[in-house]
Amino acid sequence: EVQLVESGGGLVQPGRSLKLSCAASGFTFSDYNMAWVRQAPKKGLEWVATISYDGSSTYYRDSVKGRFTISRDNAKSTLYLQMDSLRSEDTATYYCARPSTRGYFDFWGPGTMVTVSS
Amino acid sequence: DIKMTQSPSSLSASLGERVTISCRASENINNILAWYQKKEDGSVKLLIYYTSNLQSGVPSRFSGSGSGKDYSLTISGLESEDIATYYCQQGYTPPTFGAGTKLELK
Repeated sequence: EVQLVESGGGLVQPGRSLKLSCAASGFTFSDYNMAWVRQAPKKGLEWVATISYDGSSTYYRDSVKGRFTISRDNAKSTLYLQMDSLRSEDTATYYCARPSTRGYFDFWGPGTMVTVSS
Repeated sequence: DIKMTQSPSSLSASLGERVTISCRASENINNILAWYQKKEDGSVKLLIYYTSNLQSGVPSRFSGSGSGKDYSLTISGLESEDIATYYCQQGYTPPTFGAGTKLELK
């Protein structure tokens, strides 16, 4: 059974950093691209970043480019999101998701909440 | 980016009723369209991919259709476990989602 479990969320002040993790199991992690998707309070879902199966390619939404870094450790079957220079508008539940080659996300974690506030 | 417009934003329906949710893309997305169900506990589940393909384990009362810019999700016979918010998503880069349709029991 595919499982994705995020951790690392919490309350952080504007301008500070936070690193999220996503532990994957139930599939060969190193065979799949992985992604982060977020949902701000009372807003819709929003794709944040994607990393290729081997970590050689990364893609970001414009609003997080230069501030967020997606990475992975295939030996540990773990996905990361390093979030720097956090802003109030980054407040959201962050989901780890597995993208397919057809552009949809076939498995999602339960999410971890990030609140950026002073 | 491709904008996805979902309607209605909320919907009240009775158990057993047929429910349809619509999604319109700002340009032709060539059937690269998925539907998701998000429950109150925050869990997100893929229901349908590539317009009309049912994800494994999803009940057959869920179906999808459409082409070009216009797509729809239908639940034929609403059950209590279907109460959730539904999102469409187009699969081009960058992927974008509709704003969601909150389905409630009448």
